[in-house]
Amino acid sequence: QFVLTQPPSVSGAPGQRVTISCTGSRSNIGAGYDVHWYQQFPGRAPKLLIYGNINRPSGVPDRFSGSKSGTSASLAITGLQTEDEADYYCQAHDNSLSALYVFGTGTKVTVL
Amino acid sequence: QVQLQESGPGLVKPSETLSLTCAVSGVGISTHYWTWIRQSPGKGLEWIGYIHYSGTTNSHPSLKSRVTTSVDSSRNQFSLKMTSVTTADTAIYYCARGSHSDRGSYYDYWGQGTLVTVSS
Repeated sequence: QFVLTQPPSVSGAPGQRVTISCTGSRSNIGAGYDVHWYQQFPGRAPKLLIYGNINRPSGVPDRFSGSKSGTSASLAITGLQTEDEADYYCQAHDNSLSALYVFGTGTKVTVL
Repeated sequence: QVQLQESGPGLVKPSETLSLTCAVSGVGISTHYWTWIRQSPGKGLEWIGYIHYSGTTNSHPSLKSRVTTSVDSSRNQFSLKMTSVTTADTAIYYCARGSHSDRGSYYDYWGQGTLVTVSS
């Protein structure tokens, strides 16, 4: 069901840099489709964090950055803060028969 | 300020039809792709499908035979119907606004979500 693979969890101390990978295939990220990232706190709806691989919506701190290469993408949090502890999901279009739009498996970020 | 709000029954019996509505405020529904996404308890996100004001729709291949989406421009809202539900359809259902390009869509505004439990 999930065709974008993320690590289940990453952790870091306040101020550190953490990265979350999102691994896809030639039918989604590798086909040139944009990757988008969402942040979700427990009991809350997801919030758009990065769109079009690298763009931040208004109001998103610049410590969040995105990148994409080949069949993978990454979200980096530089200068980790306690309020960044949340779940993070990547998302992209997929041109196979599995689905039109797919989300990643999700990554829990823990601030130590 | 764009806001989306889901509404509908929180409990549906197996084999019956799940019906949800998403009321949109702060923007007209005649633009963008209006989307349904769900999240099973403790699990990840699953795209269900979208509808555009023009009537264009699409849905997840595994749900296509059971899902219908519609839009009511006079009320600025859109709806989801899912037939023959099972316990596997128990989830938080979100409505969201999709911004579309030829490189895919992203979801910039979301409703708060509504929990639908399928149980007898």
